[in-house]
Amino acid sequence: ETGVTQTPRHLVMGMTNKKSLKCEQHLGHNAMYWYKQSAKKPLELMFVYSLEERVENNSVPSRFSPECPNSSHLFLHLHTLQPEDSALYLCASSLGTGGRSGANVLTFGAGSRLTVL
Amino acid sequence: QKEVEQNSGPLSVPEGAIASLNCTYSDRGSQSFFWYRQYSGKSPELIMSIYSNGDKEDGRFTAQLNKASQYVSLLIRDSQPSDSATYLCAVNYGGSQGNLIFGKGTKLSVKP
Repeated sequence: ETGVTQTPRHLVMGMTNKKSLKCEQHLGHNAMYWYKQSAKKPLELMFVYSLEERVENNSVPSRFSPECPNSSHLFLHLHTLQPEDSALYLCASSLGTGGRSGANVLTFGAGSRLTVL
Repeated sequence: QKEVEQNSGPLSVPEGAIASLNCTYSDRGSQSFFWYRQYSGKSPELIMSIYSNGDKEDGRFTAQLNKASQYVSLLIRDSQPSDSATYLCAVNYGGSQGNLIFGKGTKLSVKP
């Protein structure tokens, strides 16, 4: 496996379900991200983890709960979602964060397409 | 509110022409600038990064940065149908953590 791997690729869930999205990176990067991509909207940064510590929580509703057990794995736990949460959820990683260097260049996974009924 | 603005398009150019994609950003403290390409149904992939004023060339792609005007552009020479995609401009507003702000993207269509 190389790059950034996301599972599942497609997920359909009801509003009362609990599910999780998984992301794994094989690049030796130190930072991992969750982004949300909805139609007609720019990519929205949800969470940033740097060296397994959450460093950004972009006013995301508590029905989204991230978990980063180590620098290679990132989860997004989902519960009591709303239909408007239907979107493509993209995981990304980078060597580092911030600054002017190329360390913050993002490599994206293929995404998890979520549909909330 | 830090913003990145792009014309959503679609921008249609004939094969072999130069495609010009533009992006403006709101915060003068921005430090690094990126262009990502996203094919329909796929995830974004980095095609260019630029950090200093001026031009940066990579094959058929040229990124141009003008910090005084808060403007970054991407030129694609000899456009091919395979270049048809949505091009996302992303700006890092600096600080200690990664805060990449993306534009909505410009959809480019290259007609054979």
